[in-house]
Amino acid sequence: QVQLQESGPGLVKPSETLSLTCSVSGFSISSGYYWGWIRQPPGKGLEWIGNVHFSGTTFYNPSLKSRVIISVDTSRNQFSLRLTSVAAADTAVYFCARRYYGSGNLYFDYWGQGALVTVCS
Amino acid sequence: EIVLTQSPGTLSLSPGERATLSCRATESVYSSYLAWYQQKPGQAPRLLIYGTSIRAAGIPDRFSGSGSGTDFTLTISRLEPDDFAVYYCQHYAGSNNFGGGTKVEIK
Repeated sequence: QVQLQESGPGLVKPSETLSLTCSVSGFSISSGYYWGWIRQPPGKGLEWIGNVHFSGTTFYNPSLKSRVIISVDTSRNQFSLRLTSVAAADTAVYFCARRYYGSGNLYFDYWGQGALVTVCS
Repeated sequence: EIVLTQSPGTLSLSPGERATLSCRATESVYSSYLAWYQQKPGQAPRLLIYGTSIRAAGIPDRFSGSGSGTDFTLTISRLEPDDFAVYYCQHYAGSNNFGGGTKVEIK
């Protein structure tokens, strides 16, 4: 069974950098697929942040691209999110997920439970 | 950039009733990349439908998806108490965009 678990600080100060890690078990990141970050501000909808492939190839949401870095560590079977220059609007639950591709279909099939990150001084 | 608009924002229905949720794209999208998710409070989204109409593993057959081009629909044939939740459509076209969601609440 594929499982994902987010970890990282739950409180970040404005203008600083948010850092989260997603640990994957039950599946080797090196086996393929893209791995993504999605966030959800309190009481609002889902916003895709970006994806990373085990090769290091990344794709980002254009609205966040200038502040986002997603990286992968295949030796630890983890991938990470860094969001710079955070503000209150970045307060959200951050989910990591596997983006599956097969038989011509593409979707997020496995999700972490989510990590709440609050931006506050 | 393709934008997905879901309607209605909230659907108030009783158990046993039929729910019809709409997802409209600003331009024609590839149906194989259209998915639906269910989210309950405090939980991660759960994949319901992918490829517009294919139910994910373990999803009951009261959930069905349809559509093509710019208009897609998620139908719940007979609502059960466990189905009251928020539903999101999502599509990939360079970016992995989500619709704004439809909340299905108990009337």
